[in-house]
Amino acid sequence: GAGVSQTPSNKVTEKGKYVELRCDPISGHTALYWYRQSLGQGPEFLIYFQGTGAADDSGLPNDRFFAVRPEGSVSTLKIQRTERGDSAVYLCASRVAGVADTQYFGPGTRLTVL
Amino acid sequence: QQQVKQSPQSLIVQKGGISIINCAYENTAFDYFPWYQQFPGKGPALLIAIRPDVSEKKEGRFTISFNKSAKQFSLHIMDSQPGDSATYFCAARGEGSNYKLTFGKGTLLTVNP
Repeated sequence: GAGVSQTPSNKVTEKGKYVELRCDPISGHTALYWYRQSLGQGPEFLIYFQGTGAADDSGLPNDRFFAVRPEGSVSTLKIQRTERGDSAVYLCASRVAGVADTQYFGPGTRLTVL
Repeated sequence: QQQVKQSPQSLIVQKGGISIINCAYENTAFDYFPWYQQFPGKGPALLIAIRPDVSEKKEGRFTISFNKSAKQFSLHIMDSQPGDSATYFCAARGEGSNYKLTFGKGTLLTVNP
């Protein structure tokens, strides 16, 4: 079956602009995660959705970052007033509900803020 | 605060050799320890994982060794192949219902033919 998909694969924007990054999880996966991976680093947790609600947003760096998942499937990560320090690969992962361990990652969106 | 420390940062191994990557953690509440493999331009893919009630887990050429008292775990890749060249990340999952992962900084493995 299809894996986690993310669009766009690359996004170049200018400092101060607004961007939206999309994640399509594996069908039937109710748990969805966003991570950010800076160059040469491991992924860092941003936010977790169980269904439609953000169950844990403790990793969001500041209030310029926001994510939604209105119908419990597709999720959008929104970044306002982008800064050069926001440049990174944004990864989405999904997991079957309950006690299933494995998180399946998408290919990521590479965001470059000029 | 780096909760999962990974070493080495990079590793070069000859084809057929053994690759060993080490990780140490601080939080004793971690209850699941996966290793992910990442190729350039791709997302991380689960390779193998272990729970703290087991000291070793083997899947094909990949083995995790886990030392709960030392709070350390390692990945061993036997008979390393050029196709294994990738970045490897250890991770740990905290207790609670969100199952979020804390990753190490990664190890870039190069297997020379």
